[in-house]
Amino acid sequence: DAKTTQPPSMDCAEGRAANLPCNHSTISGNEYVYWYRQIHSQGPQYIIHGLKNNETNEMASLIITEDRKSSTLILPHATLRDTAVYYCIVRVGNRDDKIIFGKGTRLHILP
Amino acid sequence: SQTIHQWPATLVQPVGSPLSLECTVEGTSNPNLYWYRQAAGRGLQLLFYSVGIGQISSEVPQNLSASRPQDRQFILSSKKLLLSDSGFYLCAWGRGTPGKLFFGSGTQLSVL
Repeated sequence: DAKTTQPPSMDCAEGRAANLPCNHSTISGNEYVYWYRQIHSQGPQYIIHGLKNNETNEMASLIITEDRKSSTLILPHATLRDTAVYYCIVRVGNRDDKIIFGKGTRLHILP
Repeated sequence: SQTIHQWPATLVQPVGSPLSLECTVEGTSNPNLYWYRQAAGRGLQLLFYSVGIGQISSEVPQNLSASRPQDRQFILSSKKLLLSDSGFYLCAWGRGTPGKLFFGSGTQLSVL
């Protein structure tokens, strides 16, 4: 079973920041937080990951709370193309660890 | 650069017929390979994963099987398809940063 909890859906106005929350209260010290998104009829796309520190790349920012029990994915300027299902995953950084996706958050970007 | 190929894009098969979906990865060696399935309106379900040639871990007991005959080739098979096997099948690979997966374009399977 997935170890994360996400809201089933969210709306965000185009041009505004989209903040997607994820709860992972049972996360272990050696588990990373990963975010993916899946646009309709496509395979999931890796967005970002982190362990303790906040991370930023060209796609998004990842904010992890100090106790690491929750995180937020931030899309700074949402566009219609960001409409997708966003998955938050936690896993150990071992090569042979399986990767389980939960139900994710369906993000609707409103024009 | 690395690429993943998955085919066919769509497939319509009668109940009871066999299945073979193939996935190949280029530009890397010794990748982890994964098969996922997504039923209509549902989440991603991990079916199989492999950390090396001939090493297959099954996550869900079912009438599907997987094989890895070569380092960068992953095959999903069934001897007799069921209606419940319909769905969107995705192959993925990972290497280096654990957890960072790259997915193929998927196969939409309809069993009628």
